Formats: sequence, C-alpha cells, structure tokens
Amino acid sequence: EVQLVESGGGLVQPGGSLRLSCAASGFTFSSYSMNWVRQAPGKGLEWVSYISSSSSTIYYADSVKGRFTISRDNAKNSLYLQMNSLRDEDTAVYYCARVAASGRSMDVWGQGTTVTVSS
Amino acid sequence: EIVLTQSPGTLSLSPGERATLSCRASQSVSSSYLAWYQQKPGQAPRLLIYGASSRATGIPDRFSGSGSGTDFTLTISRLEPEDFAVYYCQQYGSSPVGITFGPGTKVDIK
Repeated sequence: EVQLVESGGGLVQPGGSLRLSCAASGFTFSSYSMNWVRQAPGKGLEWVSYISSSSSTIYYADSVKGRFTISRDNAKNSLYLQMNSLRDEDTAVYYCARVAASGRSMDVWGQGTTVTVSS
Repeated sequence: EIVLTQSPGTLSLSPGERATLSCRASQSVSSSYLAWYQQKPGQAPRLLIYGASSRATGIPDRFSGSGSGTDFTLTISRLEPEDFAVYYCQQYGSSPVGITFGPGTKVDIK
C-alpha cells in the first residue's frame, strides 16, 4: 500500500524550532518529487515547499523562505521539514504530499501532523 | 503569483443532484495545469482531477473536470452521500514555485 506518515508535530513557543518527518512506503520514494503543504485551523491549503527526487531542486513559499529547510534521505525513504524561527501564523496541520508522475498535482498525501506555535 | 477564486463559497444540494463548481484564475494557467482535490473533515485532501480534465486513479466517473485558460469547472453529475465535502482547485505551472490553491467550495447537504 502506498503510504505517507508524518510525525514530529507538537506545541512550540514563538521563535522555537521543530523538525517534521514524513516516512514513505509502498512506492519507490527516490523516484518522486515531494511537497509540504499546510492548513491553518479552519482555513484552506497553502503550499510550503518542494524538493525534487534527487534534492537538486528546492523551492519555498515566500512565507517560510529563510526559516524552513526541506530535505530528504532516499536511503531511509524519508522527507523532512526543519522549521526555525516559528511564528504564531505557522500554526497548522502539515501534510507531506507526493508529486504525481504525470505532472505536479499531488496524488498521495499523508494524514498530517499538527504544529501549534503558542506561548 | 496566480490567484485562484472559487465560487460559490458554499453549495447546498441534495443527494442525486448535479453540482457545478467554478475556479477562476487571475491569469492564464499554462497547459491546463490545474487540479481538483476533495477534503472531508479531519482527513487529508484527495486528488480528483489533474490536467484540468483527467480523473485520478480510482475516482468515479461522476466526477469530471473541464476548462482552459482562466476558467475551470468541476462537475459532480449525481451527488452521492460521500461527496459532501470541501473542494479545492490548485494550479501548478512550469515550476513548482507559486503553486497556489483556491479558497475552496463547500458542498453541503440541503
């Protein structure tokens, strides 16, 4: 079964750091680009970051550029998001999502991990 | 950045009825790089349509997508009870930078 499982969310104070992980299974992880997408409470979806299959290409949304770092370990079938200098507005459910082979839609999503930034 | 606008914000319909959801882009979406997702409460989004009109794997044929340029439509031909959810459109261009989602249309039971 194709599956993505996020972990690492939690409660953190403003200015703090957190590292999210996404474990992939059921497919050849090293062949796919990946995204992180977040959803603030009661709000819509916001793309956060993209990484190509070989890590050669990385992009960030302006809202997180300079604070978040995406990375992956293909040997461990894992995707990561290092989040530094966290702000209240980073509070959200964070999803990892696979980029479809047919284009840049996102065809497989994890269940999400919740990040709460609050003092 | 391409801004997506979805209408209506909420669509109240009965099972068996036809649902027509609109997604309008602030500028042309190249090569119909537009997708639709369904999200139910407490669940992750699910890909329904990619390339504006291609159904994703396992998606019933009551879901169809159409449109090009700046105007796109998701149609659910006959609503089933499990179709009541929020639907998002998303555009993706030649580069992942600037991937954007619309604000969503909630389809609820009348």
